[in-house]
Amino acid sequence: DTAVSQTPKYLVTQMGNDKSIKCEQNLGHDTMYWYKQDSKKFLKIMFSYNNKELIINETVPNRFSPKSPDKAHLNLHINSLELGDSAVYFCASSQPQTGEIGYEQYFGPGTRLTVT
Amino acid sequence: AQSVTQLGSHVSVSEGALVLLRCNYSSSVPPYLFWYVQYPNQGLQLLLKYTSAATLVKGINGFEAEFKKSETSFHLTKPSAHMSDAAEYFCAVKSNNAGKSTFGDGTTLTVKP
Repeated sequence: DTAVSQTPKYLVTQMGNDKSIKCEQNLGHDTMYWYKQDSKKFLKIMFSYNNKELIINETVPNRFSPKSPDKAHLNLHINSLELGDSAVYFCASSQPQTGEIGYEQYFGPGTRLTVT
Repeated sequence: AQSVTQLGSHVSVSEGALVLLRCNYSSSVPPYLFWYVQYPNQGLQLLLKYTSAATLVKGINGFEAEFKKSETSFHLTKPSAHMSDAAEYFCAVKSNNAGKSTFGDGTTLTVKP
């Protein structure tokens, strides 16, 4: 019973194309995230949604657009893909990170995006 | 503001030896601290977390970490390394006035037979 799932697991595409990655969590969490992990394994937060509302939007090109149709789903759409977008993208979820609360995050298996 | 520094991007130990992965944090308020492990081609999973209940925290797979406020550290240890411990390890901090966690750059643990 997968807690956080992502599709597809691998995505190979050409520069200039548009692609989407889907994420679903069945943990009942209110907060979901997208992270980008580069070839050096550095993990960088991109976006966070709490109950369908965007709460974190880091310095990410506006070619990246997240969408949360409900609190169990957070999708990532990428327009006009570039070589530098090649990375592993992780979805994660947690209870809300507001205030004096230290909930851990649950990560999906990742989507390896290769742009050629 | 919060930040975390993992000293040593690569650590190599022999099987059966002590594992010590270092993490120092910066936070203007009391923090919550986490260690995550990432096995090859997988997502991150929680090893252990500090939430102020006890300074010595025990996690899965025999790992533990000690919160030392005076040293602003949260180092991860395991008495005896196993080949299956080879992975990427991430330390993360969340201050109680921050809306997100900040991850370190990660430490790659290699275990030699």
